[in-house]
Amino acid sequence: GENVEQHPSTLSVQEGDSAVIKCTYSDSASNYFPWYKQELGKGPQLIIDIRSNVGEKKDQRIAVTLNKTAKHFSLHITETQPEDSAVYFCAASIWGYQKVTFGTGTKLQVIP
Amino acid sequence: DGGITQSPKYLFRKEGQNVTLSCEQNLNHDAMYWYRQDPGQGLRLIYYSQIVNDFQKGDIAEGYSVSREKKESFPLTVTSAQKNPTAFYLCASSTRLAGNQETQYFGPGTRLLVL
Repeated sequence: GENVEQHPSTLSVQEGDSAVIKCTYSDSASNYFPWYKQELGKGPQLIIDIRSNVGEKKDQRIAVTLNKTAKHFSLHITETQPEDSAVYFCAASIWGYQKVTFGTGTKLQVIP
Repeated sequence: DGGITQSPKYLFRKEGQNVTLSCEQNLNHDAMYWYRQDPGQGLRLIYYSQIVNDFQKGDIAEGYSVSREKKESFPLTVTSAQKNPTAFYLCASSTRLAGNQETQYFGPGTRLLVL
């Protein structure tokens, strides 16, 4: 089955700096990669996603890149703010199969 | 107001007791899922259902049971056979977007504690 690895497990950045979270996946058939943000005591919320026919997608301060050859994808957050502090999960899934494999999460702390 | 609701927010279980976690969605989604989240770990799939009256085991189904009698509801029962039930339980639902990819939307979670 699919295996998703996520790094780093914790990340501290100064407010205004950029943060990068990286994930690798094992199944070359995976073609959909969502990213979720989870605040303390709440359910994960989708923040951005990318499909395998696209190499990069951007939404304001958040961007995701995908390298299908290397089987890795990354989340980039620019101009970080304290409200960006949360746990971020990457995930991978295959079209037609509604099972999603999640990474183990990255706890991001933005220091004011 | 559309969304996924889970209840209760906190649940306490005694030894040998079965408890049921509620999950309801009014998004008209066909598929629903239950995940377990432990500290420092990712989300692990317990059960999922793609359609009413049908469900499949996920990666850690032992000690759990589900039903899907209505499209809107997917309750999870944690049985006495689950020896380590303390965790944060998340329900999700999904539908096919344009382009035939699924995005899962999550409820607020239920924290289960053992007395």
